[in-house]
Amino acid sequence: AQSVTQPDIHITVSEGASLELRCNYSYGATPYLFWYVQSPGQGLQLLLKYFSGDTLVQGIKGFEAEFKRSQSSFNLRKPSVHWSDAAEYFCAVVLSGGYNKLIFGAGTRLAVHP
Amino acid sequence: DGGITQSPKYLFRKEGQNVTLSCEQNLNHDAMYWYRQDPGQGLRLIYYSQIVNDFQKGDIAEGYSVSREKKESFPLTVTSAQKNPTAFYLCASSRGSEQYFGPGTRLTVT
Repeated sequence: AQSVTQPDIHITVSEGASLELRCNYSYGATPYLFWYVQSPGQGLQLLLKYFSGDTLVQGIKGFEAEFKRSQSSFNLRKPSVHWSDAAEYFCAVVLSGGYNKLIFGAGTRLAVHP
Repeated sequence: DGGITQSPKYLFRKEGQNVTLSCEQNLNHDAMYWYRQDPGQGLRLIYYSQIVNDFQKGDIAEGYSVSREKKESFPLTVTSAQKNPTAFYLCASSRGSEQYFGPGTRLTVT
């Protein structure tokens, strides 16, 4: 069955440090890939997306992600984390099949130390 | 401003009561979705609708019902048949593959 795996449940980084959040998917073809961010008690905000083309995509708030077909991965990165980046991050894929069903990973909760 | 609104933000109900969660969008999107979020489980699809007067069950539809009488509105009813209704509920809409989410409703059933 198709699935999305985010191996890290919690990550803690110091402010100013670099960040990489991992995401792997299990799907036969290349799906559409997304990263969303959720602040506590809020809805989800789209950070970036990959449909095709350049495998390094830029998003909002200084985030970027790289699609690696050989590793079935779509890892999220940021070179310097700010305290306001503390939130939960979700990787998601869209499967083909007549409608845009998003499959979500379980999420990674990011804490930022001053 | 275009967007998705969900009301209320917090909702409390007694066990055995049905409750309806509101979702309205003014983005002119055809498709709308309901997700349930529980800690550590990401989001799971309850129902979705691709067009007015049509909707389909998602992965966890048991104990829930929806209607889609207007393009802008996609209310979700949590019935007494839902065994564990306490959760955070998120509504989304899309045109194409990108989904936009509302702020969510936290439902607590005691």
